[in-house]
Amino acid sequence: ETGVTQTPRHLVMGMTNKKSLKCEQHLGHNAMYWYKQSAKKPLELMFVYNFKEQTENNSVPSRFSPECPNSSHLFLHLHTLQPEDSALYLCASSPMPDGNQPQHFGDGTRLSIL
Amino acid sequence: GQSLEQPSEVTAVEGAIVQINCTYQTSGFYGLSWYQQHDGGAPTFLSYNGLDGLEETGRFSSFLSRSDSYGYLLLQELQMKDSASYFCAVRLADSSYKLIFGSGTRLLVRP
Repeated sequence: ETGVTQTPRHLVMGMTNKKSLKCEQHLGHNAMYWYKQSAKKPLELMFVYNFKEQTENNSVPSRFSPECPNSSHLFLHLHTLQPEDSALYLCASSPMPDGNQPQHFGDGTRLSIL
Repeated sequence: GQSLEQPSEVTAVEGAIVQINCTYQTSGFYGLSWYQQHDGGAPTFLSYNGLDGLEETGRFSSFLSRSDSYGYLLLQELQMKDSASYFCAVRLADSSYKLIFGSGTRLLVRP
């Protein structure tokens, strides 16, 4: 149990579908993150939220739309994705967004685009 | 641009010591972190170095030399369960909250 729960664990979708990834943390943290992990590539930061406010958008295409209704929940809404978007999507949280504080990761959602 | 270099794979024997190096070229530097990730699992935080020198946590130690833009993770008394991928990550010294990750080193521990 990592304290950060992601659902679903696996998702297969067509390029025209709309789906959402969910992340929930029970650690009382104020910062939450979305990362993309592709094979043989570094983890790539997508979005950062601090106290529900988006503080970082790392040049992510608009077909990825994050939502943070409160400090415990984070969503990633997906629409009109491309095959190159197939990857492991990881959610993380930390007490604050300061990078010297450990980030706690969920197990990720393995996304496959047909 | 920002880049972190680490070996892609390392193999070692159970009970041995292994060192995983990380060199970085980033626009500013605040600190170096290390994360472990088992296949199919979540990355987990191992250590953080904000200042030069060695940090020790049980069997794992991490070292940083800011003047050399270099750090390493040292794993002692290797166990089979240490087989995993290890990532170094740099926090940039700017107002962003970015952690820049290396591509990871896959460690295989053999009996």
